[in-house]
Amino acid sequence: KAGVTQTPRYLIKTRGQQVTLSCSPISGHRSVSWYQQTPGQGLQFLFEYFSETQRNKGNFPGRFSGRQFSNSRSEMNVSTLELGDSALYLCASSPGQALKGYTFGSGTRLTVV
Amino acid sequence: DAKTTQPTSMDCAEGRAANLPCNHSTISGNEYVYWYRQIHSQGPQYIIHGLKNNETNEMASLIITEDRKSSTLILPHATLRDTAVYYCIVRANQGGKLIFGQGTELSVKP
Repeated sequence: KAGVTQTPRYLIKTRGQQVTLSCSPISGHRSVSWYQQTPGQGLQFLFEYFSETQRNKGNFPGRFSGRQFSNSRSEMNVSTLELGDSALYLCASSPGQALKGYTFGSGTRLTVV
Repeated sequence: DAKTTQPTSMDCAEGRAANLPCNHSTISGNEYVYWYRQIHSQGPQYIIHGLKNNETNEMASLIITEDRKSSTLILPHATLRDTAVYYCIVRANQGGKLIFGQGTELSVKP
């Protein structure tokens, strides 16, 4: 059974640019969540999508956005990149109620220069 | 803010049991205790969860006190591959975000 797939694994962008990260959840999973991990702030929740609808949102500026497609794949977009956006971005999927917990991908390492 | 308190770091000898404590004194009646771990440069991995009864699976055991204000994750025979940051999280079980604290950095030593 394939796990959660995130692409790309590594990315280098310049300040002011925008970036799109992709997440393919486990087959059959309808919920996708996104997290940002930095050394200073740790793991922080960005947003969660379920059946193409945003169900929860964290405390991040509007430059961070996401969407989910009908096949449950999700993308997150960060516009007008800042140096502080450098982080590991993690995607997690679950069937919906997450009774058994979320399955995380290996993440996308974004470096903003 | 995270609703749990964990020690920053712990050491454990290989082959011995690792007991990782977690305090969650403000836990609500409908909140579960979840444990995840994160091995360096990988995504967090679900370990176990429980409501009020002790739980065991192939990875670990979870002991929750009767008042539910604290819990202990037990890795019965720690190996070097169990070296990771362990996160204790409380969450109501209707979906939604995981609030991660700083976790406990467990070092398993030969």
